[in-house]
Parts: sequence; structure tokens; C-alpha cells
Amino acid sequence: SQQGEEDPQALSIQEGENATMNCSYKTSINNLQWYRQNSGRGLVHLILIRSNEREKHSGRLRVTLDTSKKSSSLLITASRAADTASYFCATDANPGRRALTFGSGTRLQVQP
Amino acid sequence: DAGVTQSPTHLIKTRGQHVTLRCSPISGHKSVSWYQQVLGQGPQFIFQYYEKEERGRGNFPDRFSARQFPNYSSELNVNALLLGDSALYLCASSLERQGLGYGYTFGSGTRLTVV
Repeated sequence: SQQGEEDPQALSIQEGENATMNCSYKTSINNLQWYRQNSGRGLVHLILIRSNEREKHSGRLRVTLDTSKKSSSLLITASRAADTASYFCATDANPGRRALTFGSGTRLQVQP
Repeated sequence: DAGVTQSPTHLIKTRGQHVTLRCSPISGHKSVSWYQQVLGQGPQFIFQYYEKEERGRGNFPDRFSARQFPNYSSELNVNALLLGDSALYLCASSLERQGLGYGYTFGSGTRLTVV
């Protein structure tokens, strides 16, 4: 079953705009990770945020984590056409399930 | 350094047949995980192997099996294929058993079509 649920399911924006994607999950976690997938290919790891962290930045990416609400958000600033992809959140649960549990993803379309 | 490599990239099989998918992790990574991704959904965990031992199993039938070799490469085997097994099969490697503090590196996947 999917632990995480991304919102929205699909997002279309213009180049230069910011894109925000949200993720909710159900159980306690060790960390939460965001991945990008282009056209059904392999997933690319974007950023990992630990359960004791509230915010993390990497280039144009900003991730927040609210463990009290069991939610996370991914912000992509100044989007580019190359950011067009599906974005997934994945939780690494606490304790001991040695697996990532993925949400259903957000399909982002950045119009040039 | 080569990333995670999977073979074959595409495969077409008939219902009832058997399939073997292969994965080579990044050099130095001892943990290999397998995921199934059905079209339009997020990946679903199948197995994790660490140091050649199974450390985790998802909610998949016994038709699915895997193993890890001394060089840390891995095989996923699926017996008695069903149409519903059609999916992208992803292999991921990581430094640590649970990937604590590390993200997973995924291969490009094997696209399996069962007809």
C-alpha cells in the first residue's frame, strides 16, 4: 500500500514560476526522501530530510517536514522546462522496515 | 564510476513463463533493493538484500524471489508470470542497510511486458 500521498496529482506551470508539491504520510519515520522520475525511467534522488530536521535546501529545492502533521513539501524555485517530470516522496519508516514507501507522485509540467 | 546497472532494459514474456532480472549495484554498495512500479503508480517494495541476506520483503507472492551474490549483484526471479506482473522493475543500491542518512541510487529499470 502507498504510505505517502502527493498533492496535487498533476501541476502545470510556466517557466520561472515556483512549483510546490505536498506529501502526507501515515506512520512515524526515520527520514523522508524526494525523488524525480523522467518518463518512466529510473528515479533520481533529490533530497533527504531526517525526522529531527524541519527544513532543508539544495540548490533550487527546498523541503520542509512537519512530523506533527505527518507532512512534507517540496518547493522548486524558478522552474525550468527540464524540471518536467514526476516527483515522488518516499518514507523510510521507524522502526525497522527496510524499505522505502512511495507515494503516488505529482506530475509536473513546466511550459517553456 | 558506473551507476546501478540493470539488464535487460526491456523484456516481453508470455503468461506462465519465468523471468530473471539482473542488477549490479554501485561499487562499494552492499545493499540492493527491488521495486515494482506499475504504470501511473509509485514504486512498491519487493525485497531488500544486505550482505547477501534477505533483510526485508514486501507484500508480494512467493512467485517472486531474489538473491544477492558475493559481488553484491542481485537477481530477481518471477515464476508463473501473470499479466499483472507487467511493470517497470527497479533496482536500488545504498551504502547502508536501511539507507539511513543516504538516499538510494536507482537503476533505469527493466520494463517487463507479459502478454
